[in-house]
Amino acid sequence: DAGVIQSPRHEVTEMGQEVTLRCKPISGHDYLFWYRQTMMRGLELLIYFNNNVPIDDSGMPEDRFSAKMPNASFSTLKIQPSEPRDSAVYFCASSLGRTGRGEKLFFGSGTQLSVL
Amino acid sequence: EDQVTQSPEALRLQEGESSSLNCSYTVSGLRGLFWYRQDPGKGPEFLFTLYSAGEEKEKERLKATLTKKESFLHITAPKPEDSATYLCAVQGWKAGRRALTFGSGTRLQVQP
Repeated sequence: DAGVIQSPRHEVTEMGQEVTLRCKPISGHDYLFWYRQTMMRGLELLIYFNNNVPIDDSGMPEDRFSAKMPNASFSTLKIQPSEPRDSAVYFCASSLGRTGRGEKLFFGSGTQLSVL
Repeated sequence: EDQVTQSPEALRLQEGESSSLNCSYTVSGLRGLFWYRQDPGKGPEFLFTLYSAGEEKEKERLKATLTKKESFLHITAPKPEDSATYLCAVQGWKAGRRALTFGSGTRLQVQP
């Protein structure tokens, strides 16, 4: 399996521009997660989906952030308009979600976002 | 709210010098405690899951242990290739919650 695939790997944009990050989860996984990582705050959960339905979006910082999962194999995280404080590494992860016990998340390589 | 605190923030070891990383946690019923390794420019890579106090797991030079309040990642005779950031995370039984709550990590540097 190719693992979780994210694109682009790097994104540099100017303040006020729209940014779209993309993620393809591992085939067959029921859960998809978006995390943000910064030096100051570490890894923070933004939102997660179960079977394409958003379950918890309490970590989405503002209305400028939105996420969609139109089908089981694709998700987007959009920032509009972008601000310099959005600069971070954004990770997508997926998990099976089939057992009652804790299940590991598989992470993509991340998108390094720089907003100038 | 689930919380994870890791210490130390950074650790420098000589090759062969064993040590332990600490992860203290509070969670509303533990569904699982996870250890990940993260190399620069990459996503976290799964190492271990622990489910209940007293459980231990090993992989090469790494051994993870769990109590009701803490987990330790013991590194025996580390090598330079063990240099990385080690992340601890918990998953609680809060209804339907499948996400992990992460600590800030311990940056480990092993010098030859």
